[in-house]
Amino acid sequence: GAGVSQSPRYKVAKRGQDVALRCDPISGHVSLFWYQQALGQGPEFLTYFQNEAQLDKSGLPSDRFFAERPEGSVSTLKIQRTQQEDSAVYLCASSLAGLVWNEQFFGPGTRLTVL
Amino acid sequence: SQELEQSPQSLIVQEGKNLTINCTSSKTLYGLYWYKQKYGEGLIFLMMLQKGGEEKSHEKITAKLDEKKQQSSLHITASQPSHAGIYLCGADLNPGGGADGLTFGKGTHLIIQP
Repeated sequence: GAGVSQSPRYKVAKRGQDVALRCDPISGHVSLFWYQQALGQGPEFLTYFQNEAQLDKSGLPSDRFFAERPEGSVSTLKIQRTQQEDSAVYLCASSLAGLVWNEQFFGPGTRLTVL
Repeated sequence: SQELEQSPQSLIVQEGKNLTINCTSSKTLYGLYWYKQKYGEGLIFLMMLQKGGEEKSHEKITAKLDEKKQQSSLHITASQPSHAGIYLCGADLNPGGGADGLTFGKGTHLIIQP
């Protein structure tokens, strides 16, 4: 049974470039979460999907950040016109159902470096 | 200010010794999760504690939730090199039964000395 996978694992972008980060959740998992983890910090919540519906995007830091999950499985986090402060590890997590007591399984993350 | 405070920030323990990591919330806890992270890797789920006070153990790790203090502790008995890593507490701070994004502490960096 595969866990949550993310690609690419590492991404280097020049300031101003657009990037797209992919998350493949565990098959059958309804809920999908994106987090941003800066160096030496804990993860910070960005956005949450239940199936294809984006139920919470309160953590997205600016309108340059956009996430989608069109078919309720794979999700993409897109960052437009990247800035140096966007450099971080972006973590994706999925859980079985839309219930608070379900464990969130995390992927390995994508480390984004903006030069 | 940080909604979830972890202490200590870092900890160096001799192999075989016991240790405790604490996580204190400034808001009501609706669920408390402990994860372990190694550098460059994702988070590994350890334990989940529900609102209402609870204690869980897995191998040599025990986690407790003190509802009155809005605090959780993670205790490792007879530490081993494999316990080294960053321990993160994550909490659901939103009322209601639906899934929510977790709020995390900054983590406790644990080093085990042989």
